[in-house]
Amino acid sequence: DAGVIQSPRHEVTEMGQEVTLRCKPISGHNSLFWYRQTMMRGLELLIYFNNNVPIDDSGMPEDRFSAKMPNASFSTLKIQPSEPRDSAVYFCASSRLAGELFFGEGSRLTVL
Amino acid sequence: AQSVTQLGSHVSVSEGALVLLRCNYSSSVPPYLFWYVQYPNQGLQLLLKYTTGATLVKGINGFEAEFKKSETSFHLTKPSAHMSDAAEYFCAVSDGNTGKLIFGQGTTLQVKP
Repeated sequence: DAGVIQSPRHEVTEMGQEVTLRCKPISGHNSLFWYRQTMMRGLELLIYFNNNVPIDDSGMPEDRFSAKMPNASFSTLKIQPSEPRDSAVYFCASSRLAGELFFGEGSRLTVL
Repeated sequence: AQSVTQLGSHVSVSEGALVLLRCNYSSSVPPYLFWYVQYPNQGLQLLLKYTTGATLVKGINGFEAEFKKSETSFHLTKPSAHMSDAAEYFCAVSDGNTGKLIFGQGTTLQVKP
């Protein structure tokens, strides 16, 4: 079975540009999570969805960040406008409700 | 609220030596506890988990952890380290209902030949 698929794996952009990160969860999983990993702050939960509905977005840093899950097989995390401090690795994970989280390989974002 | 503290951001052991990575948690409800491993430039992979029942949990690659409620701990051990165990290890806690995990800061394990 295919795991969680994230794209792009690497993104380099300039400050002020819009960034869109994509995630395809494992088929049959009904929970999806977006995490951000940095050296300074470790792994932070940004937002999570159950059955395509956002449940908790309290970890989203500010209004520049938004996430959507239009259907059970696709989610996006958008940053507009991007800033250098957004540079991080962004992970998507999926699970059956309250089950084990399966992580994608991450999207490494560098904002110059 | 839930939180996790991993004692020691870096642990170095010799190949063949005991591995002990420490994790303490805080939770207002019975916790579900997890250990994940992350190899360079990869995502996180589940090593083992505790939900209910037996407090000694065995995972992949020879790792195990023991849930000690009185000490609010969930330390990870392996009797004999291999070079391939060098990675970053994360302890995490969940309330068992929402599925969301709260992670510790991680411990980098170095294995010396």
